[in-house]
Amino acid sequence: GQQVQQSPASLVLQEGENAELQCNFSTSLNSMQWFYQRPGGSLVSLFYNPSGTKQSGRLTSTTVIKERRSSLHISSSQTTDSGTYLCAMPPQVVGQLTFGSGTRLQVYA
Amino acid sequence: GGIITQTPKFLIGQEGQKLTLKCQQNFNHDTMYWYRQDSGKGLRLIYYSITENDLQKGDLSEGYDASREKKSSFSLTVTSAQKNEMAVFLCASRTGGSYEQYFGPGTRLTVL
Repeated sequence: GQQVQQSPASLVLQEGENAELQCNFSTSLNSMQWFYQRPGGSLVSLFYNPSGTKQSGRLTSTTVIKERRSSLHISSSQTTDSGTYLCAMPPQVVGQLTFGSGTRLQVYA
Repeated sequence: GGIITQTPKFLIGQEGQKLTLKCQQNFNHDTMYWYRQDSGKGLRLIYYSITENDLQKGDLSEGYDASREKKSSFSLTVTSAQKNEMAVFLCASRTGGSYEQYFGPGTRLTVL
């Protein structure tokens, strides 16, 4: 079945630093969704990115289909960015998301 | 825009009890999902439904039943609650034309 490798597992930053989160896939990639989750909170969709680059404020998502990878870049991190970031990929036929294990981000002032 | 609501937000039950979680969406989405998230871990699919009255089992369906009597609602029943299934249950939906999924706020289950 599909496998998703997400890295790093955890990341600690000083406020203002940038972060680069990666997801790699074992099977062919058709699209990618990135989520943000606070402890005890629900999943907030950050990007749905089938291919190419999308930007929203300080966040940029890049998906490269033929290389089976997607990345999330956070620029000028803030303490409010702290939480878990999850990538997820749907299968080829029915839309059951396969999730990565998540990156736990902690940003200190 | 639309919204997904889940009730209750917190559910406390006794071991062996039958418990029901509800999910409503007003996106008019065709497909709905139930996921379980254990503390510090990823999401696992319990059930999904591609249309009214349709049910499909996910990897974690044992011990659960589901019901999709209306397009807008999807219920999940824990048939006999166990302590090892204390988790957050997340409902999601998507339209037929896209793989993008939208999630509800979750129901946190505690089993005493």
